[in-house]
Amino acid sequence: DARVTQTPRHKVTEMGQEVTMRCQPILGHNTVFWYRQTMMQGLELLAYFRNRAPLDDSGMPKDRFSAEMPDATLATLKIQPSEPRDSAVYFCASGLSRRGLNRGSYGYTFGSGTRLTVV
Amino acid sequence: AQSVTQPDIHITVSEGASLELRCNYSYGATPYLFWYVQSPGQGLQLLLKYFSGDTLVQGIKGFEAEFKRSQSSFNLRKPSVHWSDAAEYFCAGLTGGGNKLTFGTGTQLKVEL
Repeated sequence: DARVTQTPRHKVTEMGQEVTMRCQPILGHNTVFWYRQTMMQGLELLAYFRNRAPLDDSGMPKDRFSAEMPDATLATLKIQPSEPRDSAVYFCASGLSRRGLNRGSYGYTFGSGTRLTVV
Repeated sequence: AQSVTQPDIHITVSEGASLELRCNYSYGATPYLFWYVQSPGQGLQLLLKYFSGDTLVQGIKGFEAEFKRSQSSFNLRKPSVHWSDAAEYFCAGLTGGGNKLTFGTGTQLKVEL
């Protein structure tokens, strides 16, 4: 089965350090999401891309978070500088979205997540 | 605002009993709705999705969901729950022109043996 690959699976870092999380979407998928999951806030949408263009990053703290898609096979989420409140599980998801009558391809596949701990 | 709501935070059922998890939506047009399941320490797995057509949707693992426009609901059901179904279940909907997937707060399912 095709899958979304996220690296690293776990990351422990000290406050103030830069953190980079990577995501390899399923080949051919044109939409990529970044979510953050915490006990308190649940699943929060941070940013999403369609055809590598950022469509919405309003969920991200702009001063420290950045999301990019250098190419169609890689999405990155960076935090600089990291803070203890950034500790969470970060999920990437990819899917194929298109306009038109046939929208049966909607339905996004999630990676296994990156568990980030900032101490 | 367009959203999905899961009114139950925790649900406990006995193994073999039937299950229904509630999801209500708030969308102006016909929404695209999904149910995902998350086991501890795992990512989210798609159970089923609804776009249009038949209001009763069949999914994996014996789950089904029924879209009811009159009640703005998309409840997930299973006739007989197995202990391995214990997990957290998320309802989700598409917004923002059909790209932005937003989630409910989740329902934690516990199965008693």
